[in-house]
Amino acid sequence: NAGVTQTPKFQVLKTGQSMTLQCAQDMNHNSMYWYRQDPGMGLRLIYYSASEGTTDKGEVPNGYNVSRLNKREFSLRLESAAPSQTSVYFCASVGGILNTEAFFGQGTRLTVV
Amino acid sequence: AQTVTQSQPEMSVQEAETVTLSCTYDTSENNYYLFWYKQPPSRQMILVIRQEAYKQQNATENRFSVNFQKAAKSFSLKISDSQLGDTAMYFCASAYGGATNKLIFGTGTLLAVQP
Repeated sequence: NAGVTQTPKFQVLKTGQSMTLQCAQDMNHNSMYWYRQDPGMGLRLIYYSASEGTTDKGEVPNGYNVSRLNKREFSLRLESAAPSQTSVYFCASVGGILNTEAFFGQGTRLTVV
Repeated sequence: AQTVTQSQPEMSVQEAETVTLSCTYDTSENNYYLFWYKQPPSRQMILVIRQEAYKQQNATENRFSVNFQKAAKSFSLKISDSQLGDTAMYFCASAYGGATNKLIFGTGTLLAVQP
């Protein structure tokens, strides 16, 4: 009964380093999302994938890339991390009643120094 | 464009009292859905309540209810008999149906329930 699994939970990067945040869901949902959460700004959509093989930019896509590897997995990559990318990142998949209920991972706290 | 606005960054309520959190939204879609999510200190996002725009009846879930004013594009959350465990950040969100299902959040309201 895993739901949405997001790794890692915590990460510290140096400016310029790269990393990939992994997300997997076992609910057979079509839609998956990546958000960042910053104090006073709520959750802002970075990228989303409406179905396997498709991805679209959200509100704040600059500095990020995504891959929808298959229906289960949706990864977020920071090619060259910057201090402005210090944030808490959430992955979500959407399904459930009316296909609009979001199920979230536990979040990744990323610090870029 | 789809937007969600929460104008109350912080609120406080006494235990057992009632509190209302405000939310306004804007969308050009006819078929859309509105949500309130709760984020306790554990950081987990929890769905509190959902409202389908085509339904006139306000949604209720135990102590949680909404006041959905479609013409005013307003979607407030009422918490009755507040409990200490209700202390959390509350996010209003909107999504519209169809293949995209883009889910957009407001900036959140931090609710503190005082003993």
